Amino acid sequence: KNEVEQSPQNLTAQEGEFITINCSYSVGISALHWLQQHPGGGIVSLFMLSSGKKKHGRLIATINIQEKHSSLHITASHPRDSAVYICAVPESGGSNYKLTFGKGTLLTVNP
Amino acid sequence: DAGVIQSPRHEVTEMGQEVTLRCKPISGHNSLFWYRQTMMRGLELLIYFNNNVPIDDSGMPEDRFSAKMPNASFSTLKIQPSEPRDSAVYFCASSSAGGANTGELFFGEGSRLTVL
Repeated sequence: KNEVEQSPQNLTAQEGEFITINCSYSVGISALHWLQQHPGGGIVSLFMLSSGKKKHGRLIATINIQEKHSSLHITASHPRDSAVYICAVPESGGSNYKLTFGKGTLLTVNP
Repeated sequence: DAGVIQSPRHEVTEMGQEVTLRCKPISGHNSLFWYRQTMMRGLELLIYFNNNVPIDDSGMPEDRFSAKMPNASFSTLKIQPSEPRDSAVYFCASSSAGGANTGELFFGEGSRLTVL
């Protein structure tokens, strides 16, 4: 069964700073998900990626399949980026619909 | 599209009562997932439907929980009888992938359940 480690657990930044959140997993996968959850709010899918890099606005996600590691970067961070960021990967190498979720990284961006 | 729609957003009930949570997936999506989120256990998959058929219900905690998907645009998650330990946020998500692949997930706003 895949194990997911996210770091850091908590991150506080000043507006404008460059943010990096890391995710490591133990079993090879076909795709990795990055999710965002605002306090008391719903969950939004930011990225699903299986190789290389993807970019949406100020968000960039990278994945290294060989090293079983992914990073989520936020450029020019803003207070509205304050949220929990969750990494998720398939639980096992077989069925990919069952995801294992990381414990999340709580990001606080101060103005 | 309006996105995944869940109701109710909040439900407070007493132990022993029946609770029904509802979900309308995004039109055209053929996969639907029910998740439960708690502080202790994080996000857990309860049940997965593909083309309205339950594929994996191994995450359903016990017989008190049941889920149905009578058509492509509606699903329910029922708890009967409810217990305080069922208090959690229940999320419904849909995607356009099928079979063994999750695809990109689109989540509803969640239903926050409190059982007294």
